[in-house]
Amino acid sequence: AQTVTQSQPEMSVQEAETVTLSCTYDTSENNYYLFWYKQPPSRQMILVIRQEAYKQQNATENRFSVNFQKAAKSFSLKISDSQLGDTAMYFCAFMTTYNNDMRFGAGTRLTVKP
Amino acid sequence: NAGVTQTPKFQVLKTGQSMTLQCAQDMNHNSMYWYRQDPGMGLRLIYYSASEGTTDKGEVPNGYNVSRLNKREFSLRLESAAPSQTSVYFCASSDADGYNEKLFFGSGTQLSVL
Repeated sequence: AQTVTQSQPEMSVQEAETVTLSCTYDTSENNYYLFWYKQPPSRQMILVIRQEAYKQQNATENRFSVNFQKAAKSFSLKISDSQLGDTAMYFCAFMTTYNNDMRFGAGTRLTVKP
Repeated sequence: NAGVTQTPKFQVLKTGQSMTLQCAQDMNHNSMYWYRQDPGMGLRLIYYSASEGTTDKGEVPNGYNVSRLNKREFSLRLESAAPSQTSVYFCASSDADGYNEKLFFGSGTQLSVL
């Protein structure tokens, strides 16, 4: 079974600075998808960024980028120029290509301080 | 665009009572999911349905039943609620077309079992 581990339960960063959230996963599959979801206090789950395992290029979405290390099974999220609105729980998630069973890590609570 | 709609948003049950959580999506997605979210444990998959007429167990299916009523609707039933089922429940859907995999989430149901 696939597992996703987020080793940082809580993190904080000063506004305008950069922060990196860690995620590792365990799988025997070669093709899969990786995701970062954001959950603000509103409870809504919002997709931040998505990476296909077959792509070597790291995904980027504006201030959000990932460092995907397939051999190390690592998928970290970098948030640049942090904003107060980035305060939220962040979940790393994994999905195989042969079924639709998405598995989540336990989450990292990020606080952006003014 | 309504997206994924869950009802109710809040529910309080007594131990042993039954209830059904409703979920509907208007994006013509093939796959639908039910997750539960507990503090420190992220989101755990209860059941999913890869397509109309099929359902599969996830990580934590015990105590739950599901029905994929049609392509739009996927319900979750608790036959005899237990305090351990106190949680936030999320329904989600995805296109599962092999090209654009990602989950769209409802706004969640806060369930308390006393």
